Amino acid sequence: QISLKEPGPTLVKPTQTLTLTCTVSGFSLSSAGMAVGWVRQPPGKALEWLAHIYWDDDERYSPSLERRLTITKDTSKDQVVLTMTNMEDVDTATYYCALATGGISLEVWGRGTPVTVSS
Amino acid sequence: DIQMTQSPSSLSASVGDRVTITCRASQTLTTYLGWFQVKPGKAPKLLIFPASSLRSGVPSRFSGSGSGTDFTLTISSLQPEDVATYYCQQSYITPWTFGQGTRVEIK
Repeated sequence: QISLKEPGPTLVKPTQTLTLTCTVSGFSLSSAGMAVGWVRQPPGKALEWLAHIYWDDDERYSPSLERRLTITKDTSKDQVVLTMTNMEDVDTATYYCALATGGISLEVWGRGTPVTVSS
Repeated sequence: DIQMTQSPSSLSASVGDRVTITCRASQTLTTYLGWFQVKPGKAPKLLIFPASSLRSGVPSRFSGSGSGTDFTLTISSLQPEDVATYYCQQSYITPWTFGQGTRVEIK
């Protein structure tokens, strides 16, 4: 059974770097057609796609956040890592990792992890 | 970027009512359009992708239609468990983009 798990709640200070690790199971990150991405939802606001990485290491980013984001994967550890630099209050949100397979949009999601930016 | 415009932003309907949510894209998506259901404290759930294909396990009262730039999500008979916020999302081209959401409540 496919699953994705994000870490527990995270508190970061303004200007710090956020690092989130998504651990996957039930599939291989190197399988053709697989892409794992990150989506966030600030309190009371809409979903926002951040980035995703394909099985062949092709990376895609939201243009508005591209300067601050890096997405990587470690196939041997079944992990996808998102880093976001220079965190601000407006980055407070629930962050989800999600799987897109074979052209199907974000069909399996993790439960999400709350990230709070506060001094 | 492709802009996704949903309407209405919220609606209130009675149990058993037919509910329709529309989504308009700023350029063609062919059928690379998905509909998500989001309930408080839960992960988003993909209901329909592409455009009119119901995902496995999703109740048949949900349906999607459209292609190109105009799409619709319909709930044929609204149930209490359908209270949620619904989002359309395009995966035709990156950056992938979501609509602003439609909050559905029971009258």
